[in-house]
Amino acid sequence: GNSVTQMEGPVTLSEEAFLTINCTYTATGYPSLFWYVQYPGEGLQLLLKATKADDKGSNKGFEATYRKETTSFHLEKGSVQVSDSAVYFCAPANQAGTALIFGKGTTLSVSS
Amino acid sequence: EAGVAQSPRYKIIEKRQSVAFWCNPISGHATLYWYQQILGQGPKLLIQFQNNGVVDDSQLPKDRFSAERLKGVDSTLKIQPAKLEDSAVYLCASSLEAGSSNYEQYFGPGTRLTVT
Repeated sequence: GNSVTQMEGPVTLSEEAFLTINCTYTATGYPSLFWYVQYPGEGLQLLLKATKADDKGSNKGFEATYRKETTSFHLEKGSVQVSDSAVYFCAPANQAGTALIFGKGTTLSVSS
Repeated sequence: EAGVAQSPRYKIIEKRQSVAFWCNPISGHATLYWYQQILGQGPKLLIQFQNNGVVDDSQLPKDRFSAERLKGVDSTLKIQPAKLEDSAVYLCASSLEAGSSNYEQYFGPGTRLTVT
């Protein structure tokens, strides 16, 4: 079945630094790809998604591009803020396309 | 719009005891998911309902876990008997449409279970 490997954390950055969180997947076919985020004390919520190759998902200054050649969906942000401190989960769809497979999560801590 | 509700938020039990969790999805959402999130890991799907039918329960330890979604709305997840390795956060999520992962999943706050 499909699987995901996500960059281990924690990632510690200063405000306005550039962020990359790596995510690669193995899959049969071309599954939809998602990034979910969990802010401190809150539930998981969708950050962005891409449903086909070369699509770019974006939200709140974050971006990720569906790269089928490298089976990757890396999360990037040009200038992080303290409020971006959270746990980020990469999640490709499962083989049946009915549910998601979550990575282990990457904790991001941004200091001012 | 009300979000996904879960109760209780915290539960501490001894091994071999039983426990039940409740989830109320967002009104009108066809699909309901139960996930198990062990500390330091991502959520793992336990069971997925489409309306009141089971779509996927391949990762549900059926010798001790059971779940139901009566009338296609609320759902309960039960563990009987609990083991130490069941200590985790149990997350409920729902999505509007059925049969596709493309639709956003809305997560509840979770129930943190500690088995001693």
